[in-house]
Amino acid sequence: EIVLTQSPATLSLSPGERATLSCRASQSVNTHLAWYQQKPGQAPKVLIYDASNRATGIPARFSGSGSGTDFTLTISSLEPEDFAVYYCRQRSDWPWTFGQGTKVEIK
Amino acid sequence: QVQLQESGPGLVKPSETLSLTCTVSGGSISPNYWSWIRQTPGKGLEWIGYIYYSGSTNYNPSLKSRVTMSVDTSKNQFSLRLTSVTAADTAVYYCARFWGDFWGQGILVSVSS
Repeated sequence: EIVLTQSPATLSLSPGERATLSCRASQSVNTHLAWYQQKPGQAPKVLIYDASNRATGIPARFSGSGSGTDFTLTISSLEPEDFAVYYCRQRSDWPWTFGQGTKVEIK
Repeated sequence: QVQLQESGPGLVKPSETLSLTCTVSGGSISPNYWSWIRQTPGKGLEWIGYIYYSGSTNYNPSLKSRVTMSVDTSKNQFSLRLTSVTAADTAVYYCARFWGDFWGQGILVSVSS
C-alpha cells in the first residue's frame, strides 16, 4: 500500500501569511493526488484534485502542485476560516490512502 | 448538488455486525461509484471500499474478509456491512461519491458491550 507522509505535522501561522504543506508518496502516484480540508465535526472537503485542479467553489488562494512522489498545497494568504487540518489522498493504487494530516493553527 | 446522509445504529456490540446505509439525494445513484470511508483518532482516514451502481465492488484488503457493500437503486441508497466488529472498528463512518468529491456528514459508530 502507498504511504503518504505529510509535513509538517503542525504549522503555526498568522492570518495573511503563506502556508506551504508537503505530501510525499512512498512510490509514484503520477498526479492522482487530492487535498482535503477538515474542520472539527465536519467531513473532509475536497480542495484540489489531480494534483493541481481546484474543486468547484474553492478560492484561488488554494493551489496544488507536484507529480510523482512530491506534492505541495499552498495557501497564498491565510484567511481565518483556513485554520484546519489538511489531508492528501492518492488514488493511483488500491487501496486508496490518506496522509496523516497537517494541522494549520493560528500563531 | 449531490447530498449524502449516513444512517444506522451508533452502538454495536463486539462480535456483532455493523450496518449502515447512505441515502443519496440531489442526483441519481446511477451510473456512479460510491464509497465508504472511516476515520479513527489512531489510524486516521481509511478507505473501506467502493461499489458501482450495478453492484460490483472493490474492498480494502485489510477489511475484505469482513466487508460487504450493496446498492438499492430504487431507493437511491447504498449500504455497508462489517462483521465481527471489535473496539478497533469504533470510528466515524462516512459515505462519499467515488473518489471523494461529495461526502456525507459522517456517523459515529462505537463498538462496546
